[in-house]
Amino acid sequence: GDSVTQMEGPVTLSEEAFLTINCTYTATGYPSLFWYVQYPGEGLQLLLKATKADDKGSNKGFEATYRKETTSFHLEKGSVQVSDSAVYFCALDISKNKLIFGAGTRLAVHP
Amino acid sequence: DGGITQSPKYLFRKEGQNVTLSCEQNLNHDAMYWYRQDPGQGLRLIYYSQIVNDFQKGDIAEGYSVSREKKESFPLTVTSAQKNPTAFYLCASGLSYGYTFGSGTRLTVV
Repeated sequence: GDSVTQMEGPVTLSEEAFLTINCTYTATGYPSLFWYVQYPGEGLQLLLKATKADDKGSNKGFEATYRKETTSFHLEKGSVQVSDSAVYFCALDISKNKLIFGAGTRLAVHP
Repeated sequence: DGGITQSPKYLFRKEGQNVTLSCEQNLNHDAMYWYRQDPGQGLRLIYYSQIVNDFQKGDIAEGYSVSREKKESFPLTVTSAQKNPTAFYLCASGLSYGYTFGSGTRLTVV
């Protein structure tokens, strides 16, 4: 069935370091792909999305490119800040507007 | 401002009790969703509703019930049949091109 696999966390980085969080998916057809972010004690917020192959989603310095050939949607940021500390979820859209989420990757950025 | 309101933020339930979690949205969205989040795990879909007076089971519906009498409201009842209800519950609305989430309700069995 359709599924999303994310790299296990936590990911611990120093401020201004480069971030990559890996996400791969299994899906029939051509899903849309998403990254959501969850700050402590809060709900999820949409960070970025891509709806077709080779699309690049970007927001707040984060980027992810929809790679159909490798079924991946890795999240990257060139220089992380302490305020980026959160849990990041990769997700894909299946039929009937239902999202499937990965397990989440916790990011901790220290000064 | 438009958004989703979940209440209460924290809820404690005794063994054998039913409890109801509230979810209200003023975004004029037709579709609404309930997810459960356990530590170290992703979100699992409990129930969803695409339109008023209609809803479908998600992946883990056993022990839960919902209603959708109004477009704005999608309450979730955690029944005594749910054997492990302690979790963080998230309500969402919209379509998959961009869900809006509430801030969640943390339910604890005492």
